[in-house]
Amino acid sequence: AQKVTQAQTEISVVEKEDVTLDCVYETRDTTYYLFWYKQPPSGELVFLIRRNSFDEQNEISGRYSWNFQKSTSSFNFTITASQVVDSAVYFCALSEAQAAGNKLTFGGGTRVLVKP
Amino acid sequence: DAGVTQSPTHLIKTRGQQVTLRCSPKSGHDTVSWYQQALGQGPQFIFQYYEEEERQRGNFPDRFSGHQFPNYSSELNVNALLLGDSALYLCASSDGFNQPQHFGDGTRLSIL
Repeated sequence: AQKVTQAQTEISVVEKEDVTLDCVYETRDTTYYLFWYKQPPSGELVFLIRRNSFDEQNEISGRYSWNFQKSTSSFNFTITASQVVDSAVYFCALSEAQAAGNKLTFGGGTRVLVKP
Repeated sequence: DAGVTQSPTHLIKTRGQQVTLRCSPKSGHDTVSWYQQALGQGPQFIFQYYEEEERQRGNFPDRFSGHQFPNYSSELNVNALLLGDSALYLCASSDGFNQPQHFGDGTRLSIL
C-alpha cells in the first residue's frame, strides 16, 4: 500500500525567510510519480510539480525548488524568500504508475503561514 | 480555456438524504477522479472514471457511486447521508493516466 507522510502540520515564517516542507513516502512500486499541490483558502488544489521515480534531478522554478532522494524516500519542497501570497496548505502526493489508473494518495498537508 | 468546474459550490443536506454532485472536466481531458477532503485533512480518493467506466476505487462504501457521460462530465452520488459525509468534495481531471490531475474548486457538503 502507498503512504505519504508530511510530519509538519504548520509552519510560520516571516516574509523573505526560506521555508522547507518535508515529505516522506512509501510504495512497493518501482515506477511512480510524486507531486506537490498548493491549496489556498479558496479551496482549489493547484498543481505545482510532478517528478517520476527515475528522475532524481533536483528542480528549481522561480522561488520554488524540489529535492527528490530515493535513498531516503523523500521529496522535499523549499520556498525561497517567502511572500505573504505563499500562505496556503501544501500537499505532497504519490501516484503508482503501474496501477490501472492514476489515483493520488495525499499526505496530511502542511499549513504555511507567511507573516508580513 | 475553462478549467475543471464543479456544481454546486455549497450544499446542505440532512441525514438519510441523497445528493448528486457534478463535474465538468478541463477541455481535452477524458479522465475524472473524485476525492473527499475532511476538514484539516488531505484529500482521500473515492473513485476514477475513464471511458464511462469506473477504473479505480478507494475505500469508500457502496453508498458512494458515480457516473461518467459521453462528454466526459461526471456525477458523484451519495445515498443515505451520514454526518461524517460532511466534507469538501473535489473533482479532478487529466488527459489519460500519464498526465497530472487538475482540480476544481470543490463542493462543500454539510450534513445536519
